[in-house]
Amino acid sequence: EVRLVESGGGLVQPGGSLRLSCVASGFTFTDYWLNWVRQAPGGGLEWVANIRPDGNELNYGPAVRGRFTVSRDNAKNSIYLQMNSLRVEDTASYYCARNRGSEALDFWGQGHLVTVSS
Amino acid sequence: ENVLTQSPGTLSLSPGESVTLSCRASQTVDSRSFAWYQQKPGQAPRLVIYAAVNRAPGIPDRFSGSGSGTDFTLTINRLEPEDFAVYYCQSHIKFGRGTTVEVK
Repeated sequence: EVRLVESGGGLVQPGGSLRLSCVASGFTFTDYWLNWVRQAPGGGLEWVANIRPDGNELNYGPAVRGRFTVSRDNAKNSIYLQMNSLRVEDTASYYCARNRGSEALDFWGQGHLVTVSS
Repeated sequence: ENVLTQSPGTLSLSPGESVTLSCRASQTVDSRSFAWYQQKPGQAPRLVIYAAVNRAPGIPDRFSGSGSGTDFTLTINRLEPEDFAVYYCQSHIKFGRGTTVEVK
């Protein structure tokens, strides 16, 4: 069974940092790109970042570039999202999702809420 | 920047009716990168259609996708109660804002 399980969210003050993790199982981790997609409360989907299977290509959406860093540890079947200089508008559920290159996101984790508030 | 515009924003329908959702891109899209997702309240999105026309595993055949270039559609024939949800289109890193299919 394919599984993606996010963790590490919670409440943080503006300007603070948080690190999300996503652990994968049930598939060959190194065959897939891994993505972070977020959804503000009551809002739509926004792609945040992704990372190539070998970890040597990273891409970011304009809203997070320079503040967020995506990484992966293929030995642990895990990806991470280091979020710095957090803003109120970063409040969202963060999903990890897999795909092969430019193909569709064919499996998603259950999501994890990050709340940025004073 | 490619913008995906979904219409309408909300549809109110009854089970058994059929519906076609639209997604229009501001620039030509590679069909191989075009997808539709279904999201129900409190759940993660679920892939419905990939590469514009292919049903994802486990998706019933009442769902079908079509289109190319800048215009794409998702058709659901004879809505079942479990089909009422928000549907998002996607191309590469861009998502549309979603169409809500709600019970009339």
